Amino acid sequence: ELKVEQNPLFLSMQEGKNYTIYCNYSTTSDRLYWYRQDPGKSLESLFVLLSNGAVKQEGRLMASLDTKARLSTLHITAAVHDLSATYFCAVDLAGGTSYGKLTFGQGTILTVHP
Amino acid sequence: DAMVIQNPRYQVTQFGKPVTLSCSQTLNHNVMYWYQQKSSQAPKLLFHYYDKDFNNEADTPDNFQSRRPNTSFCFLDIRSPGLGDAAMYLCATSGPLGQAKNTEAFFGQGTRLTVV
Repeated sequence: ELKVEQNPLFLSMQEGKNYTIYCNYSTTSDRLYWYRQDPGKSLESLFVLLSNGAVKQEGRLMASLDTKARLSTLHITAAVHDLSATYFCAVDLAGGTSYGKLTFGQGTILTVHP
Repeated sequence: DAMVIQNPRYQVTQFGKPVTLSCSQTLNHNVMYWYQQKSSQAPKLLFHYYDKDFNNEADTPDNFQSRRPNTSFCFLDIRSPGLGDAAMYLCATSGPLGQAKNTEAFFGQGTRLTVV
């Protein structure tokens, strides 16, 4: 059974600081996604990582994937309040047919304060 | 423009009264997924359709059923909702591999189900 574990589960950051969220998974996969979720809302896709060594950046967020270590990271640079949300990583096990059969990590609740 | 549309956004149902949630898509994707997300938890896959083929997850309760009458629509039926079924239900779609934009699933806005 695939297990996806995120840490930390709760992250309280000061504005302007940097931090990394880690996502470990237990079985081979080269498809990993990061999502953001605001309270009461659906999932917002942040990054799609589809190969070993993939690195993607958008604004203050950067995600990477190491399939050999079964590890993905989401790095936050110079945090701002607007980044406060829950962040999920998800591993895709749909196989060779399609994308979207996801197993999610527990989520990391990020709070950015002044 | 919304591509995966879920209706209603909010649904209140009585304990034990059957309820149906709807998902439609304008992407012509062949795969449609239903996820359940309980409060403060991660989304969990209930089942999915690959074209007309229904695929149930092993631990999805029998109380949950699904129908896909055509490519565009998929329904989630809860035959006898219990208090524990209160959750956000998320529909997602994805297209065949090999096409440029088909590298991820697209999620709808979700339906929040309350059971009273």
